[in-house]
Amino acid sequence: GAVVSQHPSWVICKSGTSVKIECRSLDFQATTMFWYRQFPKQSLMLMATSNEGSKATYEQGVEKDKFLINHASLTLSTLTVTSAHPEDSSFYICSASGGYSNQPQHFGDGTRLSIL
Amino acid sequence: GQQLNQSPQSMFIQEGEDVSMNCTSSSIFNTWLWYKQDPGEGPVLLIALYKAGELTSNGRLTAQFGITRKDSFLNISASIPSDVGIYFCAGRNTNAGKSTFGDGTTLTVKP
Repeated sequence: GAVVSQHPSWVICKSGTSVKIECRSLDFQATTMFWYRQFPKQSLMLMATSNEGSKATYEQGVEKDKFLINHASLTLSTLTVTSAHPEDSSFYICSASGGYSNQPQHFGDGTRLSIL
Repeated sequence: GQQLNQSPQSMFIQEGEDVSMNCTSSSIFNTWLWYKQDPGEGPVLLIALYKAGELTSNGRLTAQFGITRKDSFLNISASIPSDVGIYFCAGRNTNAGKSTFGDGTTLTVKP
C-alpha cells in the first residue's frame, strides 16, 4: 500500500519551455503533498507543501511564479516549472501523506529534469 | 526551524559488517522515520517510529526512537551489496504536515 506515482521519469527540453510533472497517490487519498528538489549527492530540499483544494505553501526562497503547484484532487498534484532554464535542471521528487492521521510521507520515484 | 544532525555523512564497509547511523535534534519530534534512496529513485520508507523508546525491526534493520524524543538510530546487520544507497532520517510532529530531513548517510558496501 501507499504507492505514489510520479510522471514523467525524465524530461529533456529546451530553455524557455514549461514542464509539468504529475504526482499521483494510487491507493490512498493524499490530503497533503510535498515537492522536493535534490541536487546530486545532496539532501532533499523542500520546495512547497500543498493541501488539497488550497494554495500551496512555499518555502523561503522558492519562487511561486516559477514553480506552479496545483493540488486539485486528493490523488493528484502537479508541479509546473515555467519558462525553465538550465539552472532549473535537477531531480524533482514528490511525496504524499494523508491516508490516516499519522501516515508517513511516501515518495514518488522522482523526475530528472534537464534543460538544454 | 527544526534541524536534524545526521551522522556519519558517509560510510565504507565490507560486506557482512554491521552498520549504525543516527540523527539528533535540538527539539523533540513525535515521529521518527528512516528512508533509503537508491540512485535515480525516490526515497523508500524503511521504518516508522511513533513512541519514545520504541525499538522496531524490519528484517536486518533495527531502529529506535530515543527516550528524549530528540534522537533516533538505525542499525543494519550483516550488510549486503544491495544495502548501498543514501539513508535519510526524518522527524515529524503529528498534524504538522511536513517532515524535517537529515542530510543523509551514504553507505557503500564492498563485496
